[in-house]
Amino acid sequence: GAVVSQHPSRVICKSGTSVKIECRSLDFQATTMFWYRQFPKQSLMLMATSNEGSKATYEQGVEKDKFLINHASLTLSTLTVTSAHPEDSSFYICSARDETGGRSYNSPLHFGNGTRLTVT
Amino acid sequence: GQQLNQSPQSMFIQEGEDVSMNCTSSSIFNTWLWYKQDPGEGPVLLIALYKAGELTSNGRLTAQFGITRKDSFLNISASIPSDVGIYFCAGQKGGSEKLVFGKGTKLTVNP
Repeated sequence: GAVVSQHPSRVICKSGTSVKIECRSLDFQATTMFWYRQFPKQSLMLMATSNEGSKATYEQGVEKDKFLINHASLTLSTLTVTSAHPEDSSFYICSARDETGGRSYNSPLHFGNGTRLTVT
Repeated sequence: GQQLNQSPQSMFIQEGEDVSMNCTSSSIFNTWLWYKQDPGEGPVLLIALYKAGELTSNGRLTAQFGITRKDSFLNISASIPSDVGIYFCAGQKGGSEKLVFGKGTKLTVNP
């Protein structure tokens, strides 16, 4: 089945530094990947849609200069949290659809295992 | 952003009991999905529903896409301890790639 790999699974950084999180589709190609954020005991909130070869689309209220997204290939999207602050501490999860054989909105989203970011 | 109304928020049951949870929305969705999330991990897809009225099973799990396209339920039969986790419903509107999530149902199964 479709596997989405996320790295690192856990990262602790100091306030003011930047952190990069990678999301890879291991056995399929994805022109679009989605980045979610999840606070403790909360649901998943979509942050942005990562588009291969073009700019990401950010949801309302998400700072694009703070959360830099790069989707350089059909199997890799990266999220960089710039100048991280303690309030950025959260669980970040990426997801992608298996678009093998053509783009299909109906293919279900598969999620990575998430990255726990702690900013001290 | 928009969220689905998922209930109950939490459930405490005995092993062997059946479980039912549901999601409702004020608007129509073309696809309903059910995910399970274990602590510290990403959600795992359980069942995907694409057609109003569709009833789909995956082992002990059964989910239905409501006729009005505004709701869905998930049933778990004969629960076991490994069913513990948080279950999320998610809806997708026609023409959109985005998913809207419910707030989750936390399931605890007592052996």
